[in-house]
Amino acid sequence: KAGVTQTPRYLIKTRGQQVTLSCSPISGHRSVSWYQQTPGQGLQFLFEYFSETQRNKGNFPGRFSGRQFSNSRSEMNVSTLELGDSALYLCASSVGTGGGTDTQYFGPGTRLTVL
Amino acid sequence: QKEVEQNSGPLSVPEGAIASLNCTYSDRGSQSFFWYRQYSGKSPELIMSIYSNGDKEDGRFTAQLNKASQYVSLLIRDSQPSDSATYLCAAHTTSGTYKYIFGTGTRLKVLA
Repeated sequence: KAGVTQTPRYLIKTRGQQVTLSCSPISGHRSVSWYQQTPGQGLQFLFEYFSETQRNKGNFPGRFSGRQFSNSRSEMNVSTLELGDSALYLCASSVGTGGGTDTQYFGPGTRLTVL
Repeated sequence: QKEVEQNSGPLSVPEGAIASLNCTYSDRGSQSFFWYRQYSGKSPELIMSIYSNGDKEDGRFTAQLNKASQYVSLLIRDSQPSDSATYLCAAHTTSGTYKYIFGTGTRLKVLA
């Protein structure tokens, strides 16, 4: 079974621009979560989508948004980029139907650099 | 207030020794727990999951869960230099909201 895929793997943008990141979950997984990881902050939860609906949201400004499509693929958008948005953005997928055995699997991440 | 806490380390152990990584959590509604290994510049990779009190073994790895004490640990036997990485502990809860909560990770260094 193919793992979680993320595109692009690397991005360089300048302040004020916007960016869209894409994530394709493991086949059969309906939950996609997005995380931001920086050296000082660790893994910070952005949001989670399940069956095209945002089910959970972290404490990030409205510049960070996402969506999920009917095939469970998800996109994350960051508008008006700031230097502090430079980070590794990770997508994780899981079956998402609850229960104690649901497990998240991570994609390789997108490394975003804002200049 | 952090909900999953780990010592950031680094934890240094000699090659061949047992490395013991610890994690505490605050949400009693957490049902399942996960250990991920993350090499520098890479994404987290699942090592083990544990759902019930007690020990769970997989090769050189043993996860231990004590829900009464809200404590999870990971033991790595016969530690190898290739085990040098950051280990993330995560708790999954469906009480209130459905979410995974990650600790900030413990950096492990295995000295050859």
